[in-house]
Amino acid sequence: AQSVAQPEDQVNVAEGNPLTVKCTYSVSGNPYLFWYVQYPNRGLQFLLKYITGDNLVKGSYGFEAEFNKSQTSFHLKKPSALVSDSALYFCAVSDTGRRALTFGSGTRLQVQP
Amino acid sequence: NAGVTQTPKFQVLKTGQSMTLQCAQDMNHEYMSWYRQDPGMGLRLIHYSVGAGITDQGEVPNGYNVSRSTTEDFPLRLLSAAPSQTSVYFCASSSEPQWREQYFGPGTRLTVT
Repeated sequence: AQSVAQPEDQVNVAEGNPLTVKCTYSVSGNPYLFWYVQYPNRGLQFLLKYITGDNLVKGSYGFEAEFNKSQTSFHLKKPSALVSDSALYFCAVSDTGRRALTFGSGTRLQVQP
Repeated sequence: NAGVTQTPKFQVLKTGQSMTLQCAQDMNHEYMSWYRQDPGMGLRLIHYSVGAGITDQGEVPNGYNVSRSTTEDFPLRLLSAAPSQTSVYFCASSSEPQWREQYFGPGTRLTVT
């Protein structure tokens, strides 16, 4: 069975500082990995994905994520955080044999001015 | 394009009542799914469909029914509501192939008393 772990319920960072939101996964085949963001009272919005190729993936709003196969991780990063980045972030995985996404429990990012 | 639409936005039911949550997409996507979001648990897949006439169970299907008679619509039926079904429900859709990102609706907040 596939699974996703987001070990931090909340990440606090000052505006202008770099941020990292952690994600580790477990799948039986090759993973497709995704990050989604949820703003209050809204549905989820796609940020970026890893399918194959370059381990560093760039996405929307200046976010990027690094795929590390040996550590089974897909951490979300941004060089300089904005207050408007404050939201709930979800990591998700599906493997090549399944159609369904498995989501992590989410990490709340709080960026302080 | 309206994208993925869901109705109603809010609903309160009494235990034992039935209702249908509506979901529609205008992007001609083959794949549609229903998730529920509960605090600290991320999103969990209830049912999904890979095309008209084809549905399958997800992680938490008990107490819910789905059908897919058209490409556009994917309603979720609660047969006999229980307090444990109090949650926020999201519908999502995506196109093939499997690694395409999913588009989420705005959600339905359901309370069962």
